Amino acid sequence: DTEVTQTPKHLVMGMTNKKSLKCEQHMGHRAMYWYKQKAKKPPELMFVYSYEKLSINESVPSRFSPECPNSSLLNLHLHALQPEDSALYLCASSHLTGLAGADEQFFGPGTRLTVL
Amino acid sequence: AQKVTQAQTEISVVEKEDVTLDCVYETRDTTYYLFWYKQPPSGELVFLIRRNSFDEQNEISGRYSWNFQKSTSSFNFTITASQVVDSAVYFCALSEHYTGANSKLTFGKGITLSVRP
Repeated sequence: DTEVTQTPKHLVMGMTNKKSLKCEQHMGHRAMYWYKQKAKKPPELMFVYSYEKLSINESVPSRFSPECPNSSLLNLHLHALQPEDSALYLCASSHLTGLAGADEQFFGPGTRLTVL
Repeated sequence: AQKVTQAQTEISVVEKEDVTLDCVYETRDTTYYLFWYKQPPSGELVFLIRRNSFDEQNEISGRYSWNFQKSTSSFNFTITASQVVDSAVYFCALSEHYTGANSKLTFGKGITLSVRP
């Protein structure tokens, strides 16, 4: 299995809702990533997990809460979002080979989020 | 700080034309890694290639080829005999070698390639 899956594909939520995005990979990767991508822009890194521990938080607002229950799963919990948070949310995974910076990331298809 | 510049924003070609996508990078590190990703309209970023800073050999994979030149800090991507399925946004990205465990990518702004039949 060489793919990263994400659910749901589309999500519409109000500013008072609580929802979660899910990501799964079965490639044995020990690093997992969340990115946010606005239209016509490159992906922006949000969080990185290494060996199921949060290793990078790019100063993301607390209304986004990541969770890595095990090495195959990554969640992003959403609460009290703003309309400007509407974007494509991409999950990625990679090996951790020890050559820092070298590991290519494999991306999922994303969740297109709309906040009303 | 590292930076990736993709000066072309949109390119439109007719099928079977060759097209080159430019990428210029900036980094202070002597060890770094360069990537190209393709993002079709479906949204998923597809990994195309990784190149190490200490390996300047050009690479060819089918209709795709990459020209890495450290002297000009460029890592250009050429599609030969383009096809409609090549229509996508193409991102060049840079990752520096550092003591952390993760690959942290700096992306260029992307180039939208449209291939017309």
